[in-house]
Amino acid sequence: QQQVKQSPQSLIVQKGGISIINCAYENTAFDYFPWYQQFPGKGPALLIAIRPDVSEKKEGRFTISFNKSAKQFSLHIMDSQPGDSATYFCAASKGAGNKLTFGGGTRVLVKP
Amino acid sequence: GAVVSQHPSWVICKSGTSVKIECRSLDFQATTMFWYRQFPKQSLMLMATSNEGSKATYEQGVEKDKFLINHASLTLSTLTVTSAHPEDSSFYICSADPPDGRETQYFGPGTRLLVL
Repeated sequence: QQQVKQSPQSLIVQKGGISIINCAYENTAFDYFPWYQQFPGKGPALLIAIRPDVSEKKEGRFTISFNKSAKQFSLHIMDSQPGDSATYFCAASKGAGNKLTFGGGTRVLVKP
Repeated sequence: GAVVSQHPSWVICKSGTSVKIECRSLDFQATTMFWYRQFPKQSLMLMATSNEGSKATYEQGVEKDKFLINHASLTLSTLTVTSAHPEDSSFYICSADPPDGRETQYFGPGTRLLVL
C-alpha cells in the first residue's frame, strides 16, 4: 500500500517558469511533511517542510501548500532555474524524527 | 547544517561475499539512524530503523539475517549485506535524527553497491 502518492512522475519547465508537484497521503497520523531534492548519485537534501497546523510555508523560491481536509500537499518552485533540475520527493512521518514514507518522486527538468 | 557521512561511497563485490557500509553523524549524536535502499529511478524505501544500544527494527519484507545492522555508538551505524547477490545491487542511504529537536533528518551521500 503506497501511503504517499506523488504526481507527476516527470516535469519539464522553461527557465523562469513555475514547477508544481503534488502529493496525497492516506495516513491521518502523519504530522510532518518534508520535501527533498536529490541529484543523481547523491543523498536527498531537505528543501522545506511543513506541519498540518499551517496551510502554506515559503522559503525563498520554494513554497509548500497544505490542505489537511483533502490530505494533500504540494511544492511550488518559482522562477525555476536549470540548477533546479533534479528529482524531488515528498515524504511524511508521524513526528519529525521518525521514519519517513516517501512519495514516488518527480524528475524535474528545467530548460534554459 | 548537520553532516552525515557514509563509507564507502561505492563498492563492487563478488556474489556470495559480505559488504559493510558505515554511516556516521559527524557533528551530532544520533540515537536513531535509518537505512534506506533506492533502486534506479525509484523512490527511497525504508529498510530498518537503527537504535543505539538495541536491536534494529526492520520493515516488513526486509530480511534481518541478510541485512545486519549494528548501532554501537551514538555516531556510528553499520549495515552489513551478507552473502550479497546481484539483486542486492542498489543505492543504500542512511539518515540520522539529531536529538535536539531539529525538525529534520539528515541524509548521508549514499553508497552504491554493485554485486557481480
